[in-house]
Amino acid sequence: KQEVTQIPAALSVPEGENLVLNCSFTDSAIYNLQWFRQDPGKGLTSLLLIQSSQREQTSGRLNASLDKSSGRSTLYIAASQPGDSATYLCAVEGYGSARQLTFGSGTQLTVLP
Amino acid sequence: GAVVSQHPSRVICKSGTSVKIECRSLDFQATTMFWYRQFPKQSLMLMATSNEGSKATYEQGVEKDKFLINHASLTLSTLTVTSAHPEDSSFYICSTPNFGQGDTEAFFGQGTRLTVV
Repeated sequence: KQEVTQIPAALSVPEGENLVLNCSFTDSAIYNLQWFRQDPGKGLTSLLLIQSSQREQTSGRLNASLDKSSGRSTLYIAASQPGDSATYLCAVEGYGSARQLTFGSGTQLTVLP
Repeated sequence: GAVVSQHPSRVICKSGTSVKIECRSLDFQATTMFWYRQFPKQSLMLMATSNEGSKATYEQGVEKDKFLINHASLTLSTLTVTSAHPEDSSFYICSTPNFGQGDTEAFFGQGTRLTVV
């Protein structure tokens, strides 16, 4: 059974700092990996999706990498802003899973002005 | 882009009553809908998978008689929490895979915050 772990559970940084969020998964047979943002009491916003054949994806100040063989992904946020404060979730989609996702428990990020 | 509309966004109900949560796909046909539950400071956990016109598949530990799922049409899936109790208080969110457009991300509803008092 796939297990997804995210560290740290919470992170607080001053505005402008670059930061890295980590995600690991136990079964490397994945179809893709996604990073989401969740604001308090709200739904999910998809940030980046990395296919299993890809190594990284970039969108603006966000860069996500994937090392499938080691079961790891990182989300890099450059020049953090207070508006980046949210919980960041990674999720993997496995083969034969009918496209359901297995989520990590998230990293709660606070960017201090 | 495609949208999944989930209602209500918040609901407070008395213990013992039932609550229905709806997820509608607004501009595409959703043959499959996933229902997730998220307790405070925990991850989203898959509860069940509904497929249009057939019975839902429930994950281990999820009571199918308590969490009734109906997917009677290609644009509507509902989750009914029957005889709700305070321990059912949680954030419920639906999601449908983006089968129609290849390898892109799934679509999520806005979520429903259920509080049972």
